[in-house]
Amino acid sequence: KAGVTQTPRYLIKTRGQQVTLSCSPISGHRSVSWYQQTPGQGLQFLFEYFSETQRNKGNFPGRFSGRQFSNSRSEMNVSTLELGDSALYLCASSPRASEQYFGPGTRLTVT
Amino acid sequence: ELKVEQNPLFLSMQEGKNYTIYCNYSTTSDRLYWYRQDPGKSLESLFVLLSNGAVKQEGRLMASLDTKARLSTLHITAAVHDLSATYFCAVVLSGYALNFGKGTSLLVTP
Repeated sequence: KAGVTQTPRYLIKTRGQQVTLSCSPISGHRSVSWYQQTPGQGLQFLFEYFSETQRNKGNFPGRFSGRQFSNSRSEMNVSTLELGDSALYLCASSPRASEQYFGPGTRLTVT
Repeated sequence: ELKVEQNPLFLSMQEGKNYTIYCNYSTTSDRLYWYRQDPGKSLESLFVLLSNGAVKQEGRLMASLDTKARLSTLHITAAVHDLSATYFCAVVLSGYALNFGKGTSLLVTP
């Protein structure tokens, strides 16, 4: 079974730009969650989608948004990038609450 | 606010020694997770603990959960270099959302 895929794997953007990251969950998994990992703040929950509906949202500004498509693929968007948005963005795919499978991540660098 | 505290945050241990990583959390949770992360890599699931008194073992790692004390432990037996990594515990924030501890960076030396 293929794992969680995230694209792109690496990204360099300039302050003020916007970026879209993509996550394809494991086939059959309807829940996709997004996390931000930074050296200073650690792993922080961004949002979770289930069957195209956002079920939970973390404590991030409105510049961070996401969506999920009917095939369960998810995208997250960050607008007006700031230096502090540089991070590893991880996506997790879940078939049920007790199982979460993480993708390889997208490393975003904002200059 | 749900807080998850791990200690120690850094651990250097010799091969062959035993040690325990502690994970305390501030509110009740019906699931506790342990993950491993190698440098530059994603998170690898180690254990999911679902009930009070749950104990799971895989190789040299054993995890346990005490929901009354809001404490989970990850015990390392006879450490080997391949166990060097960062270990995270996580509890449920809401639904499927997880709240992670800061992580314990483990270095196993000869």
